[in-house]
Amino acid sequence: GAVVSQHPSWVICKSGTSVKIECRSLDFQATTMFWYRQFPKQSLMLMATSNEGSKATYEQGVEKDKFLINHASLTLSTLTVTSAHPEDSSFYICSAPSPSGVDEQFFGPGTRLTVL
Amino acid sequence: DAKTTQPPSMDCAEGRAANLPCNHSTISGNEYVYWYRQIHSQGPQYIIHGLKNNETNEMASLIITEDRKSSTLILPHATLRDTAVYYCIVRGTSYDKVIFGPGTSLSVIP
Repeated sequence: GAVVSQHPSWVICKSGTSVKIECRSLDFQATTMFWYRQFPKQSLMLMATSNEGSKATYEQGVEKDKFLINHASLTLSTLTVTSAHPEDSSFYICSAPSPSGVDEQFFGPGTRLTVL
Repeated sequence: DAKTTQPPSMDCAEGRAANLPCNHSTISGNEYVYWYRQIHSQGPQYIIHGLKNNETNEMASLIITEDRKSSTLILPHATLRDTAVYYCIVRGTSYDKVIFGPGTSLSVIP
């Protein structure tokens, strides 16, 4: 089946630096991708909808200037955590809808971000 | 998206069937029932989905009540590798955003 990859799988950075996470659809095109954040022992929380060629749509309470999303091509969306702080440490997961429009969404394996 | 309610946790003996319930009493006519699972520190994995008929695939069976207000995911022969958090979600199409509830943490016990 279709695959979504994320890079890197884990990253450790210093407080105040920016970190970019990539989400790629490997064998299908995705005009829309979704970004989630998951804290330990909690469920996934939707952060934003990434739209190819247009601005992302952010969920309520998510700072768009802190979490920059760029969907520059039909197979790549990037999430940049700007000026990261320890409270941004989390598991970040992206997903892309099945091209069929009815079936599953395909989720990436996640990126573990640790901010020191 | 319609809201779902699931028990927070369940245990199941290895080799037995695991029956995971989900209530979705406010589901609308064009919304599907989807099930995903998440094994620790991995991305969610699609299991199965259905509209109103019962569905079966190589992973599981999905039983949807006639009024569509609840459903049950059945893992026919649970193994230790089925230990995960299982999420029941209702939505219209795969293009719709997926809103996760707390899910059911299933522990398969040897």
